[in-house]
Order: sequence, then structure tokens, then C-alpha cells
Amino acid sequence: RKEVEQDPGPFNVPEGATVAFNCTYSNSASQSFFWYRQDCRKEPKLLMSVYSSGNEDGRFTAQLNRASQYISLLIRDSKLSDSATYLCVVRDNTDKLIFGTGTRLQVFP
Amino acid sequence: DAGITQSPRHKVTETGTPVTLRCHQTENHRYMYWYRQDPGHGLRLIHYSYGVKDTDKGEVSDGYSVSRSKTEDFLLTLESATSSQTSVYFCAISESLAGGRSYNEQFFGPGTRLTVL
Repeated sequence: RKEVEQDPGPFNVPEGATVAFNCTYSNSASQSFFWYRQDCRKEPKLLMSVYSSGNEDGRFTAQLNRASQYISLLIRDSKLSDSATYLCVVRDNTDKLIFGTGTRLQVFP
Repeated sequence: DAGITQSPRHKVTETGTPVTLRCHQTENHRYMYWYRQDPGHGLRLIHYSYGVKDTDKGEVSDGYSVSRSKTEDFLLTLESATSSQTSVYFCAISESLAGGRSYNEQFFGPGTRLTVL
């Protein structure tokens, strides 16, 4: 079983739609959680950290459920520019980052 | 954007040849990392450094060595390249907090596409 698992997608959604991605992790001792965004043939960039209480940044909302060991990312009012691959990332108890394989999002006009 | 550059950006080489990839940062961050990214896998840590001349192995270190003689440079060497090392290689940096734990965010370089024929 992979340490961090994501649905690879692609999720094809129209502009303005709401889309949600989930990610599960296997190590219950994981310390911190993040969503990174990676555009095609580019480097990953931090989108947002995920806090236990949930957090929001504009159209993006991240949630953490430690009991069930999953993380979610909700994108509201999707834009064409949101098309990318979204990487779920977990910091383990040795301070290493463990990356999921990513969920690809394609927003169409 | 964080000041991280990688060189070369693209390289094609033959099996059995040595290859060195360079990562250079202008942020004076303590921690530097080398990852590889392959289809069907998340980014996987090859080696990392927590200071000049201080390095340690990651998840997929076999066939790779690293060196860090200056804060700003972290070199990844494939002593004898194999086709299984065809990949995209990313360097990353992070800043340490007091107590030596690495800061939350890692900033990534633009990547090096390596093809081993």
C-alpha cells in the first residue's frame, strides 16, 4: 500500500464548477499536511498547508480528518487556470515529505 | 520565486557514463534535497543535505551520490548511469527553524530531464 494515495483522475470540469479531491495517508504519526500544485512540465509549488481545523484560501478549502487519515481539497468556481496536477503531501515523523502521485484537473470552457 | 537553479535542464547520455547534476540556491537555506519524479510514483527523495558536508540518504539512494561543499551548491552524481535512472530530477530547498527541524515549505527548482539511452 502506498503511503499517500490519490485518485489520478483526470477530473474534467467546466468553468465555474466545484470540484473536490481526496487523499489518504497510511502513517498515523504523520505530522503535517500540504497540497502542492504542479503545472505540466514544471516544478511543484505549495498551494496551501492543511490544518486540523480546516482552512480556506480564496476559492480553495482544505480539510484534514486525522481519525480517518484523509485530506481533502475543494476548489470552488473553477477557472481555466486551475488546470494542473494537485499533489497531496504528508510530512512524516522523520520530517521527510511523502508525495502522492497527484490528481490531474482539467477545467474546460 | 525562490532563487533555485538547476543545470543542465536537459541531458541525454549513454548507459555507463557518469553524470553530475547541479543545484544552486541564492536563498542561503540550510536544507537541500534531490528528488526524482517518474510516472506512477510521487516525487521520491534520493538524498538530502542539512548543512555543508552533511548529507544523508533518502528513499531511493542506490546508484546516486551527492556532495555539498558550499551552502549554495548541491551536486547529484550518477556514477554509472543506467536506463532506470531516466527521470525528471528536482532539487528543493527549505529553511531550518530553531532546533534544526526543517521549515514546512520546500521550494523546488525547475527540474532536469535526464534520458539514459
